[in-house]
Amino acid sequence: ETGVTQTPRHLVMGMTNKKSLKCEQHLGHNAMYWYKQSAKKPLELMFVYNFKEQTENNSVPSRFSPECPNSSHLFLHLHTLQPEDSALYLCASSREAGRPSYEQYFGPGTRLTVT
Amino acid sequence: DAKTTQPNSMESNEEEPVHLPCNHSTISGTDYIHWYRQLPSQGPEYVIHGLTSNVNNRMASLAIAEDRKSSTLILHRATLRDAAVYYCIDDMRFGAGTRLTVKP
Repeated sequence: ETGVTQTPRHLVMGMTNKKSLKCEQHLGHNAMYWYKQSAKKPLELMFVYNFKEQTENNSVPSRFSPECPNSSHLFLHLHTLQPEDSALYLCASSREAGRPSYEQYFGPGTRLTVT
Repeated sequence: DAKTTQPNSMESNEEEPVHLPCNHSTISGTDYIHWYRQLPSQGPEYVIHGLTSNVNNRMASLAIAEDRKSSTLILHRATLRDAAVYYCIDDMRFGAGTRLTVKP
């Protein structure tokens, strides 16, 4: 238990569906992150939020829409996804983004399958 | 793309020490060296980090070369539960990591 929870743990959705992934951290951190982990590929950083403000978007397609209403919660809204978007989506948090001395704490991930 | 390089896989025997190497060929003066590991079906787990000096915690030790171009994660007595993919990073970009297998 790292203090970062993600729901749902598994999600199957069709290409025309709209769904949302939720992440919550109980560590008092101010930065939150979304990562994508595809089979046989390294973790890819998608988005970074620092004090609720988005500070990084790594050329992520617009069918992925993040939302950070406060420092403890992070959402990833999904719509019109493609089968190649099937992956493990990981949320992480740290005390502050952009500070290389701060370690990240990861949630267990949401296993997404797009059919 | 990740800036660090690691062996794809390593094997160890249970209760023996394990030294996991990492090269940081383009590390800058302010980049910290972080190590994470990912057990099967779990998210990555923070292991240890450091800047210049060697570091110890309850999980592992981190040895950092004087020029900081390489680091070594040391598990003093490997257990079966240490079987995982180990990642070293110095700019928060993850590479493929080293898959550690621990044999009984």
